[in-house]
Amino acid sequence: DARVTQTPRHKVTEMGQEVTMRCQPILGHNTVFWYRQTMMQGLELLAYFRNRAPLDDSGMPKDRFSAEMPDATLATLKIQPSEPRDSAVYFCATVLVNTEAFFGQGTRLTVV
Amino acid sequence: DQQVKQNSPSLSVQEGRISILNCDYTNSMFDYFLWYKKYPAEGPTFLISISSIKDKNEDGRFTVFLNKSAKHLSLHIVPSQPGDSAVYFCAAQGGANNLFFGTGTRLTVIP
Repeated sequence: DARVTQTPRHKVTEMGQEVTMRCQPILGHNTVFWYRQTMMQGLELLAYFRNRAPLDDSGMPKDRFSAEMPDATLATLKIQPSEPRDSAVYFCATVLVNTEAFFGQGTRLTVV
Repeated sequence: DQQVKQNSPSLSVQEGRISILNCDYTNSMFDYFLWYKKYPAEGPTFLISISSIKDKNEDGRFTVFLNKSAKHLSLHIVPSQPGDSAVYFCAAQGGANNLFFGTGTRLTVIP
């Protein structure tokens, strides 16, 4: 049963702390997207990778957010320092070229 | 700058009637369009797609229509069922294979 796995499912942290969200793509999927779901913006594209190389991270606040793919089985999204306005659900989605994207269940982040 | 727009945040429809969800896009380079369905506490799941070389794609109760000149697509669900109640996201993909989503429309099907 191939699926995208995101950890943690929920994270509550204090303002100023570092947050790391992880995504395990479906085996063989070569494109990974990070989205943030907010009421106003819907699913907001933050960054995406193809074959582990970052292609576009223009949607991401560069001063505090970073996205990496250290290997084909792991993508990470880090926020340092976190702020209350970062509270949202963060989704990872992976794609095998020219097919639809499969989403993980998301990480619900609350920054207090 | 929202490249994919869903202007109706919510829609309520009686069971058995047709649901029509609309989506507009601004980037003429988009050539593949998708609809996703999302239940609470779950990730979006793929529903149906259409290539820019077509103007209609049908899958059971779901039909997607594409009007390239108007940069508009719509999802028709007929007949609507209570289990269809969810948030529906329109998405568009371009040459770089990035994938942009709209803000979503919450569909409620009333029994």
